[in-house]
Amino acid sequence: DTEVTQTPKHLVMGMTNKKSLKCEQHMGHRAMYWYKQKAKKPPELMFVYSYEKLSINESVPSRFSPECPNSSLLNLHLHALQPEDSALYLCASSQVQRTGELFFGEGSRLTVL
Amino acid sequence: DAKTTQPNSMESNEEEPVHLPCNHSTISGTDYIHWYRQLPSQGPEYVIHGLTSNVNNRMASLAIAEDRKSSTLILHRATLRDAAVYYCILRDVVQGAQKLVFGQGTRLTINP
Repeated sequence: DTEVTQTPKHLVMGMTNKKSLKCEQHMGHRAMYWYKQKAKKPPELMFVYSYEKLSINESVPSRFSPECPNSSLLNLHLHALQPEDSALYLCASSQVQRTGELFFGEGSRLTVL
Repeated sequence: DAKTTQPNSMESNEEEPVHLPCNHSTISGTDYIHWYRQLPSQGPEYVIHGLTSNVNNRMASLAIAEDRKSSTLILHRATLRDAAVYYCILRDVVQGAQKLVFGQGTRLTINP
């Protein structure tokens, strides 16, 4: 199984809503990543977890709250978002302490009204 | 984060080789060069990576300059399925996790 599964595929939310994006992998990877991608732009790194601990936060606003409850799951909690936060949110995973590939999911497309 | 420079777009014909260049003049001795590609409506996909020596795999070849300030991704025989945005990335490591910061990439168009 070399898949990273992201749910939901599409999400529409209002600026006062609270929602979550979910990412799951069963490859035994202990590093997991959140990226944000706006249309026709490259993916932007948001957060990196290593052994279920947050190791990188690229100065992301606190309305985005990541969580890694176990080695297979990564969540991104969303609260009080702005319309400019509408984007494709990509999750990825990789082995730790190894040089190798990141496996990406297909993304969750978020629209904030 | 060390930076890479790529042409915005390139065009090639089906069944011909494609050479995608990347400049990374500020590369450090421990930076690995990674290439990913992103097909329309999909997440990025790993292509190849290397440190100093040229590398081959089933998808592509990576030629790295002797001074490591540039590299070239080679698709030996392009197909229509190779039309994508190709990203050249210098990999950093933070607390054991790989930090990949994507640049603007090269949009590759393949003509039938």
